This record gives sequence, structure tokens and C-alpha cells, in this order.
Amino acid sequence: SQQGEEDPQALSIQEGENATMNCSYKTSINNLQWYRQNSGRGLVHLILIRSNEREKHSGRLRVTLDTSKKSSSLLITASRAADTASYFCATDWGSARQLTFGSGTQLTVLP
Amino acid sequence: EAQVTQNPRYLITVTGKKLTVTCSQNMNHEYMSWYRQDPGLGLRQIYYSMNVEVTDKGDVPEGYKVSRKEKRNFPLILESPSPNQTSLYFCASSLSPLASGRVYEQYFGPGTRLTVT
Repeated sequence: SQQGEEDPQALSIQEGENATMNCSYKTSINNLQWYRQNSGRGLVHLILIRSNEREKHSGRLRVTLDTSKKSSSLLITASRAADTASYFCATDWGSARQLTFGSGTQLTVLP
Repeated sequence: EAQVTQNPRYLITVTGKKLTVTCSQNMNHEYMSWYRQDPGLGLRQIYYSMNVEVTDKGDVPEGYKVSRKEKRNFPLILESPSPNQTSLYFCASSLSPLASGRVYEQYFGPGTRLTVT
């Protein structure tokens, strides 16, 4: 399966700390996307990184992509209680013209 | 406001009773998709559509049907629901990947929680 695998499955940190989540995948990709989901609600797109990019920033988010290791990481700096959510990576691979989602990392930021 | 809407948001039904979950987007997107989300399994794609009258199976299409008669609507049909279709369903839309060959960011609806007893 091409499904991305997030690591860790769950992460609990204090407000103000940084949170790092990792995603690994199996085959070559066109791009990799990160999404956030608040409990039971729709997913919200956070950031897209193309296969020829190595790092991308958006506000407090930093995403890296290492195609040689087939992995990506999402760093949330200076976390807030409002960042509590599930985070998913999704890969666009081959000519399938579809996104394949991982099973997510549940982040809890304690006030 | 750009959005994807789904109806109903919650549905409890019985085995075998046909149902339709509607999905509509106001962003003029060509690409639309249905996912189901189950604990520990992430999101799995059921069907997707590249444009009007063009639909294709995703990873878990069994037991589902879709149609794309209009650009803005992409209903999901369960002809004979079974308990293993109890799940949280999401519709999503985006620009078409056809020209670029890349999948763009997806805009998700709020979800439909379906329970089949």
C-alpha cells in the first residue's frame, strides 16, 4: 500500500513547546500534503510540498520532505491549545490522480 | 463563502434501506471525491470524479454508487446499506489534476456520520 504512516500515533505536549510529526511512504510521489482535523469535523488543508522541494514554511508550520528516505515531517512551533487536533499526511503518487491518507497523529496541547 | 456542504450530517438507518448522501460545492471545482473515515484506518477513498459524467473507483468502492450529472453535485448512494458501512463520510473537491498531473489541495465538507443497524 502507498498509504502514508504517521509517527507517533499520539503526542501530548505543553503549550509553548514544539510538536513534530513524521510521515513515511513507500513509492515516489508528486506531492505530499498535510491536513488537520478537529474532532469529528472535516479536514483542513495546511500545506503542500512538491517532490522537488525540501522545506516549506507557513506561519508556525514547517514541513520538510526527504524523498531519498521517503519521509516528511511537520513541525508546529510554539504550540497552542487550539492546535489540539489530528494531523494527517496525504500523498499524491503516480498517475492514480488521488490522494492516499495516513492514519494520523493525535496531538494534544495542554494549557 | 467557498464551501463544500453535505447532507444529512447525521443519519441512523436500518440494513437494506437505500439512502443518498448529498454533496455540493460552490467553487466550480472539476474534481470531487468521497472518503470514509474509520478509527485506526485514516481516510479511504470510495469514489472520485474528474468532471461531469466521469467517475472512477477509489480504494473501497464496494457497496457504493455515485453520479456526477452536474459539476457542483456529487451524491453518494448506498443501495443496500449494511452495518459495515457505519462510518464517518467526507466529500471533498479541488481543481482538476488533469492538466498538471498533480492533485491539488482538497476542500472537505463537514462530514456525515452514518450508523447502519
